[in-house]
Amino acid sequence: SQELEQSPQSLIVQEGKNLTINCTSSKTLYGLYWYKQKYGEGLIFLMMLQKGGEEKSHEKITAKLDEKKQQSSLHITASQPSHAGIYLCGAESGSARQLTFGSGTQLTVLP
Amino acid sequence: DAGVIQSPRHEVTEMGQEVTLRCKPISGHDYLFWYRQTMMRGLELLIYFNNNVPIDDSGMPEDRFSAKMPNASFSTLKIQPSEPRDSAVYFCASSIRDRSRTDTQYFGPGTRLTVL
Repeated sequence: SQELEQSPQSLIVQEGKNLTINCTSSKTLYGLYWYKQKYGEGLIFLMMLQKGGEEKSHEKITAKLDEKKQQSSLHITASQPSHAGIYLCGAESGSARQLTFGSGTQLTVLP
Repeated sequence: DAGVIQSPRHEVTEMGQEVTLRCKPISGHDYLFWYRQTMMRGLELLIYFNNNVPIDDSGMPEDRFSAKMPNASFSTLKIQPSEPRDSAVYFCASSIRDRSRTDTQYFGPGTRLTVL
């Protein structure tokens, strides 16, 4: 089965700083999804990457999928307290529609 | 669209009692997923349905857990009898394949279950 490893497990940054979260797969990624979760709430879809080398941005968040399609990174520029939460990567399991999720990265942004 | 709706949002029950969690997927979505989230194990897929039919229930922990989807707009996850180790947040998600052949899952707000 596919396993996703996220790093770091937790991250504390000062407001305004840039940061990167990584997601590494044990197998080729057919579809890689990034979600954000605030405590006590559901997961909010951020972005989805499919092709090797693909990069997508939304506001100050950029996600990339490497050429080999086994690692993805999520980069936040000029972080704000509103970026705080748990970031999870999820991957499709081949042709199946279910997602396997990483253990998440807890982000704290200090004002 | 109201998004995925789950009820109740919070449930506190005593060990041995039956618990029923409810989910209304986004209208038109043909896949529905039930997940469980705990600190120890993270987010785990329990079961998922396609067009109301269970496709994979290998994540269901044991026979105490059962899930049904009687129609396209409603699903239940039942635990009978409940145990303290079932305490977790249970999420429902739904999806549909879009024109770019992606299957983004949209999550409900979750049900926080506490079994005393």
